[in-house]
Amino acid sequence: DAGVIQSPRHEVTEMGQEVTLRCKPISGHDYLFWYRQTMMRGLELLIYFNNNVPIDDSGMPEDRFSAKMPNASFSTLKIQPSEPRDSAVYFCASSSIFRNDEQYFGPGTRLTVT
Amino acid sequence: AQRVTQPEKLLSVFKGAPVELKCNYSYSGSPELFWYVQYSRQRLQLLLRHISRESIKGFTADLNKGETSFHLKKPFAQEEDSAMYYCALSGRDYKLSFGAGTTVTVRA
Repeated sequence: DAGVIQSPRHEVTEMGQEVTLRCKPISGHDYLFWYRQTMMRGLELLIYFNNNVPIDDSGMPEDRFSAKMPNASFSTLKIQPSEPRDSAVYFCASSSIFRNDEQYFGPGTRLTVT
Repeated sequence: AQRVTQPEKLLSVFKGAPVELKCNYSYSGSPELFWYVQYSRQRLQLLLRHISRESIKGFTADLNKGETSFHLKKPFAQEEDSAMYYCALSGRDYKLSFGAGTTVTVRA
């Protein structure tokens, strides 16, 4: 298994543009998490899904952020419109309750909004 | 509400010296505590969890419910221990709350 896959690995965009980050969880995992990492705030949970259903989106900063999980093998995090303060590393992680809750992280997407 | 505090952003030690990373938490129930590590150019990965009570790469962490702490310790630091370390807490809902992280540098 290649582990959690994220694309793109790097994204540079201009303020106001739409950004879509993608994640493929580990096959068989029923939880998927989106995190944002910044120097100031560390790792913050944005939203998580269980069996493709959003369970808690209280960490999503504002309406410009949205996330979907149309099926068990794919999730997207969209920012529209993007702003410079959205610049961060975005991680996706997946887990299974049958593996004692360990979360497996993807390599992250480094987003720069100019 | 659940909260994890790592008071040290940076920690520098000499090779062979003991290292201790502090972690305090607040949670109203019985939490599960974890330490995650991110080595340079690698993914964030689980280092150890309190429930397993095992030593991984020479690291141990003891859950102290009275002091609400879960400090990470290693008696003799190695250069390969240089990394970013995150303390994390999980409640009943499977989501993790992370501390701000501590960057450890082990000098030769």
